Amino acid sequence: DAMVIQNPRYQVTQFGKPVTLSCSQTLNHNVMYWYQQKSSQAPKLLFHYYDKDFNNEADTPDNFQSRRPNTSFCFLDIRSPGLGDAAMYLCATSPLWSRNEQFFGPGTRLTVL
Amino acid sequence: QQQVKQSPQSLIVQKGGIPIINCAYENTAFDYFPWYQQFPGKGPALLIAIRPDVSEKKEGRFTISFNKSAKQFSLHIMDSQPGDSATYFCAASPNAGGTSYGKLTFGQGTILTVHP
Repeated sequence: DAMVIQNPRYQVTQFGKPVTLSCSQTLNHNVMYWYQQKSSQAPKLLFHYYDKDFNNEADTPDNFQSRRPNTSFCFLDIRSPGLGDAAMYLCATSPLWSRNEQFFGPGTRLTVL
Repeated sequence: QQQVKQSPQSLIVQKGGIPIINCAYENTAFDYFPWYQQFPGKGPALLIAIRPDVSEKKEGRFTISFNKSAKQFSLHIMDSQPGDSATYFCAASPNAGGTSYGKLTFGQGTILTVHP
């Protein structure tokens, strides 16, 4: 089945220790998104790629970076995680011709100690 | 103007009941209105979506009602089941061609509990 895969599903890191979250997709979608979802809140868009074209949201902290080495993979790097970065991180994809129809992965739950 | 306001925050119904979740928006550039269902520990899943050119869309037990003049839309779940217990998010997105195309603005979410 075509799908969006996120690894790991659970990640524990220490305050200030860099962490990388991974997303891969078999849908062959051009657009990939990273969202942050804190407990009992709506997902918040951090950034997205149209193919290799990176688009950062204005309020996304500099602490968050992303890489997309190819169509299938996208990474979220948190350079110096703080306690406030503990959240569920969701990856989503959409086809370029229908960007509203977004397909989400299962998420990575990040804990910062 | 970019907000989507969702109510209620939580909702409890008995099996077979018809929970209704409401959303309101201000931005007239929004022209795609999806609903997502999210189970604990999972990512949101697209449930059903509507565009402003229709007033109602039905897929199985799920119905969206859309009132363009009032800038409101709602989700109705017919014959609700305990397995429908989840968090439901409405969202809105601008039309194609604009710089914000594909950027979903989510409502705050509604936690639905369906008792057996």
